[in-house]
Amino acid sequence: DIVLTQSPLSLPVAPGEPASISCRSSQSLLHDNGYKYLSWYLQKPGQSPQLLIYLGSNRASGVPDRFSGSGSGTDFTLRISRVEAEDVGTYFCMHALQTPFTFGQGTKLEI
Amino acid sequence: QVQLVQSGAELKQPGASVKVSCKASGYTFKDYPIHWLRQAPGQGLEWMGWINAGNGRTKYSQRFQGRVTFIRDTSANIVSMELRSLRSHDSTVYYCARFSGIYEAFDFWGQGIMVTVSS
Repeated sequence: DIVLTQSPLSLPVAPGEPASISCRSSQSLLHDNGYKYLSWYLQKPGQSPQLLIYLGSNRASGVPDRFSGSGSGTDFTLRISRVEAEDVGTYFCMHALQTPFTFGQGTKLEI
Repeated sequence: QVQLVQSGAELKQPGASVKVSCKASGYTFKDYPIHWLRQAPGQGLEWMGWINAGNGRTKYSQRFQGRVTFIRDTSANIVSMELRSLRSHDSTVYYCARFSGIYEAFDFWGQGIMVTVSS
């Protein structure tokens, strides 16, 4: 199984400040078609996860442009340019390159 | 709008089975596979498997193979999951999620179902 390792696991950030979360994969998530099969989700307290970023760097519909994703085949980063109060929650990375899909441990962002 | 509405919370005894459902609306049901995932309180997410809503084909995580079954009802746009031989560590929240083959990601999630296994 592919192992995804997130860091940090806890991320205190002041409003208006930037934030960055790392997700490292035990093997390349670069598909033969050239796309990186890595997505990012935010799970707000008491809610289901919601899609933020797909295929490594594409923002999902309705996601504010302060969120961005980047990365190579094994090292990925989610960046928030200016954290807002509504960004509080746990962020997960996930790969869909092969089954079983696996997730990072989660990064809890607090303000 | 796309919605996945899951059935209500369940309380089961150890060794019993549980069947939970996920009703889809707002899109063409057969066009998207539905996956099942679970999450223990305060923990990460675990993928359980998926069902092709069009042809009913399934793939299960090896961790649950032989203990879980997914079925779909195309007349009602419902996907169901049955988990058998329940144990205390199966007490978690179960989610259904729609998988987009364009995004290669879960673009819509159900609200989650809490299953508690206790005597």
